[in-house]
Amino acid sequence: GAVVSQHPSWVICKSGTSVKIECRSLDFQATTMFWYRQFPKQSLMLMATSNEGSKATYEQGVEKDKFLINHASLTLSTLTVTSAHPEDSSFYICSPTGYPYEQYFGPGTRLTVT
Amino acid sequence: AQSVTQLGSHVSVSEGALVLLRCNYSSSVPPYLFWYVQYPNQGLQLLLKYTTGATLVKGINGFEAEFKKSETSFHLTKPSAHMSDAAEYFCAVSERGNTPLVFGKGTRLSVIA
Repeated sequence: GAVVSQHPSWVICKSGTSVKIECRSLDFQATTMFWYRQFPKQSLMLMATSNEGSKATYEQGVEKDKFLINHASLTLSTLTVTSAHPEDSSFYICSPTGYPYEQYFGPGTRLTVT
Repeated sequence: AQSVTQLGSHVSVSEGALVLLRCNYSSSVPPYLFWYVQYPNQGLQLLLKYTTGATLVKGINGFEAEFKKSETSFHLTKPSAHMSDAAEYFCAVSERGNTPLVFGKGTRLSVIA
């Protein structure tokens, strides 16, 4: 299977600060990137979809100005949580996809906002 | 719109017993169906998937699932539970390979010695 990395794997930040999460597809070109979040003891929910070189589309209820997604290359996408608050504490998982359109998932980033 | 219903948020079985985790889906197009396992504080691991073809799908670690279109089900089974199977299991559906997955709420499997 494909190799997907996320960095950092765990981050603690103070309320009001911003955090950037990187997702890299190491051995294939990700034309599309899905970002999911998983609150404690809950399922994964799609936050946004981005195609390489295009603006991301966000699911209902996800603030696009708070969760900034950049998908500037076929191997790297970033999610920046701006002005983080405790309610943003969650497990963030990227899911790159590309030909032959397999679904891959990163190992996740656990964000804790204090 | 697609949706997934996992019956039972928590299933407990004895070591060596049959594991049966239930999943029903709703989809207006032929679905792609997946089962993932998640251990605490870890990401998702794909157990198996159904796209087309044979309706009985074999996965890793002895798990298998059967796609039953008439019942809109994709239940996950394993003949003999092992302690290491204790984890959270998610069923998911998508329209095709390059569309996002819709996940069920998950079923926590406990294995009793």
